[in-house]
Amino acid sequence: GAVVSQHPSRVICKSGTSVKIECRSLDFQATTMFWYRQFPKQSLMLMATSNEGSKATYEQGVEKDKFLINHASLTLSTLTVTSAHPEDSSFYICSASPKLMGEQYFGPGTRLTVT
Amino acid sequence: GQQLNQSPQSMFIQEGEDVSMNCTSSSIFNTWLWYKQEPGEGPVLLIALYKAGELTSNGRLTAQFGITRKDSFLNISASIPSDVGIYFCAGLDNYQLIWGAGTKLIIKP
Repeated sequence: GAVVSQHPSRVICKSGTSVKIECRSLDFQATTMFWYRQFPKQSLMLMATSNEGSKATYEQGVEKDKFLINHASLTLSTLTVTSAHPEDSSFYICSASPKLMGEQYFGPGTRLTVT
Repeated sequence: GQQLNQSPQSMFIQEGEDVSMNCTSSSIFNTWLWYKQEPGEGPVLLIALYKAGELTSNGRLTAQFGITRKDSFLNISASIPSDVGIYFCAGLDNYQLIWGAGTKLIIKP
């Protein structure tokens, strides 16, 4: 149980284009979903927290207009990287929690490369 | 930002050896989690601890939540090659995870 999927697993895009990453909880309803970014050899950095049907809460320093988050249902959240630049290249990971303030289950991650 | 103190940073061990790593914090957490991450993958939840003093096992893994709620250890018994990866501790602060820096486990051939 508690499986989270992410799609795509890898994406290469050109600078200036937008990329959408999907995160799905497959066998549970997620009250809250989270988006992280991970740099090499570092732990995960929280970008934003989203609850179904409401606006995401972004961490300090994360541009909300650049990283658009939509949490349309209890099993799906999307992260759209708009007008991507090479410095946005990173490993993006989502997580989902089946209960408020509960443990988080992570997706397999998406490797974004912006050329 | 806030981070848990996790040690050791890395471990080189022989197959079959037992492994121990720990995390400490200056803050109290109500929930403590241990994750394992392999290259190019998301973290996988290994053990969740909810009660002070709680000792929980998951196969060859055993973790304990410190009585003060400020520390935890993770033990792996009789390590095997597939145990390699980075192990992260995380404290749950309301809905946010506060992470340790990770312990990289390397098994010597």
